[in-house]
Amino acid sequence: KAGVTQTPRYLIKTRGQQVTLSCSPISGHRSVSWYQQTPGQGLQFLFEYFSETQRNKGNFPGRFSGRQFSNSRSEMNVSTLELGDSALYLCASSLGRAPETQYFGPGTRLLVL
Amino acid sequence: QKEVEQNSGPLSVPEGAIASLNCTYSDRGSQSFFWYRQYSGKSPELIMFIYSNGDKEDGRFTAQLNKASQYVSLLIRDSQPSDSATYLCAVITNFGNEKLTFGTGTRLTIIP
Repeated sequence: KAGVTQTPRYLIKTRGQQVTLSCSPISGHRSVSWYQQTPGQGLQFLFEYFSETQRNKGNFPGRFSGRQFSNSRSEMNVSTLELGDSALYLCASSLGRAPETQYFGPGTRLLVL
Repeated sequence: QKEVEQNSGPLSVPEGAIASLNCTYSDRGSQSFFWYRQYSGKSPELIMFIYSNGDKEDGRFTAQLNKASQYVSLLIRDSQPSDSATYLCAVITNFGNEKLTFGTGTRLTIIP
């Protein structure tokens, strides 16, 4: 069974631009969660989607948004990029909602210049 | 107080010895606990999860949970150089509004 896939793997943007990241969960998994990982803050929860609905949200500004499609694929969008948004963005999928075990994708490394 | 706390390390352990990684959490209502391993430049991979007080063993790995003291630990027996990685403790907090909260991780180095 294929694992979680994320595209693109690497991205360079400039301040003020917007970016869209994509995540395809493991086949049959209905929950997708997004995380931001930085050296200083570690892994921080962004949001969780289940059956196309946002079920949970972390403490990030409204510039961070996401959605989930009927095939469980998910996208996250960051508008008006700031230098501090440079990070590894990870998505994780699980069969159902928490506390189901989550499996991570390889991540998208975003650099904002 | 952080919701999930880990000693950032680095923790150095000789090959063949037991590595002990500790994690404390603040939400007494937490029910589910996970240990992830993350190699440099890679994404986290699940090692173990534990829900009940006591020990849970899986090969060379043992997770220990003590809900009264609000700590969870991971023991790695017969440590190998391939165990060198950052170990992340994760806890399902806010029971009823579950989200997975991670500690900042402990960097483990196994010395040959």
